[in-house]
Amino acid sequence: KAGVTQTPRYLIKTRGQQVTLSCSPISGHRSVSWYQQTPGQGLQFLFEYFSETQRNKGNFPGRFSGRQFSNSRSEMNVSTLELGDSALYLCASSHGLAAKSSYEQYFGPGTRLTVT
Amino acid sequence: AQSVTQLDSHVSVSEGTPVLLRCNYSSSYSPSLFWYVQHPNKGLQLLLKYTSAATLVKGINGFEAEFKKSETSFHLTKPSAHMSDAAEYFCVVSDHGGSQGNLIFGKGTKLSVKP
Repeated sequence: KAGVTQTPRYLIKTRGQQVTLSCSPISGHRSVSWYQQTPGQGLQFLFEYFSETQRNKGNFPGRFSGRQFSNSRSEMNVSTLELGDSALYLCASSHGLAAKSSYEQYFGPGTRLTVT
Repeated sequence: AQSVTQLDSHVSVSEGTPVLLRCNYSSSYSPSLFWYVQHPNKGLQLLLKYTSAATLVKGINGFEAEFKKSETSFHLTKPSAHMSDAAEYFCVVSDHGGSQGNLIFGKGTKLSVKP
């Protein structure tokens, strides 16, 4: 079974631009969660999607948004990029709603975003 | 609010010696606890999880962790370190839908293994 895939793996953008990251979950998984990883803040939860609906959200500004499609694939969008948005963005999938269960999450390799 | 504290930011051991990575948690609920490993430039891989069954949990690659409710700890151990164990390890508590999101990560412990 294929693992979680994320595209692109690396991105370089300039301040003020917007970016869209993509995540394909493991086949059969309906939940997709997004995380931001930085050296200073560590791993922080962005949001979780389940059955095309955002079910849970972390403490990030509205510039960070996402969506999930009927095939469970998910995209994350960051508008008006700031230097501080430079990070590794990780996507994770699980069978059920991760927020309400003990389902383990399977992580993709991440997208490394650099904002200049 | 739930939280997790990894007591060491960096641990260095020699190959063949035991590994101990320490984790304390705070939870209002009966928590689910996980250990994940992240090798350089890779995503996170689940090592093991505790979900209120046996308190001693065995994971992959010879790792295990013991849930101690009285000490609110979930330390990760391995009897004999291998060079390939060098990575960053994250202790994680499941928030089960609380305000902080579904998984709360510790700051991580970088494990170095000397030959």
